[in-house]
Amino acid sequence: ELKVEQNPLFLSMQEGKNYTIYCNYSTTSDRLYWYRQDPGKSLESLFVLLSNGAVKQEGRLMASLDTKARLSTLHITAAVHDLSATYFCAVEETSGSRLTFGEGTQLTVNP
Amino acid sequence: DSGVTQTPKHLITATGQRVTLRCSPRSGDLSVYWYQQSLDQGLQFLIQYYNGEERAKGNILERFSAQQFPDLHSELNLSSLELGDSALYFCASSVATADRVEQYFGPGTRLTVT
Repeated sequence: ELKVEQNPLFLSMQEGKNYTIYCNYSTTSDRLYWYRQDPGKSLESLFVLLSNGAVKQEGRLMASLDTKARLSTLHITAAVHDLSATYFCAVEETSGSRLTFGEGTQLTVNP
Repeated sequence: DSGVTQTPKHLITATGQRVTLRCSPRSGDLSVYWYQQSLDQGLQFLIQYYNGEERAKGNILERFSAQQFPDLHSELNLSSLELGDSALYFCASSVATADRVEQYFGPGTRLTVT
């Protein structure tokens, strides 16, 4: 059974600081997604990583995928308050199949 | 706006009752997925339909069932409801025929069982 683990689960950081969220998974896959969720809201797609070594950047967020290490990272650069949300990674074992989600990382950016 | 719609947004009902949640996928998407999000279980896959046929099942209780209709909308039926069924239920859709099969999530239905 595929397991996806994120750490940390809770992250409180100051504006302007950098930090990385880690996502480890237990089986071979080269399909990994990052989502953002605001309280009570739906899941917003951030990044789609479909191959080993894939790196995507959008604003202050950058995601990467190392399929050999079964590890993805979401790096936050110079955090701002608007980034406060819960971030989920999700792994898809094969194209078009279910997503298995990590526990989520609740990020709070303090002024 | 992802293009996936779900109704109702909120549902409050009593234990033992039955409810139906509805999902309309994005135009052209053949695959529909249902997920449950609760505080203790996190985000869990329930079931997937592709072009009207069940394709995969996850941790879906026997009290729950789903179907996808010819117009591709889907319904999730929850019966004999228990307090623990209170959760946010998401529907997602994807094309599921191409290399890039990103799932787009609907706004969710918040179910409260009292």
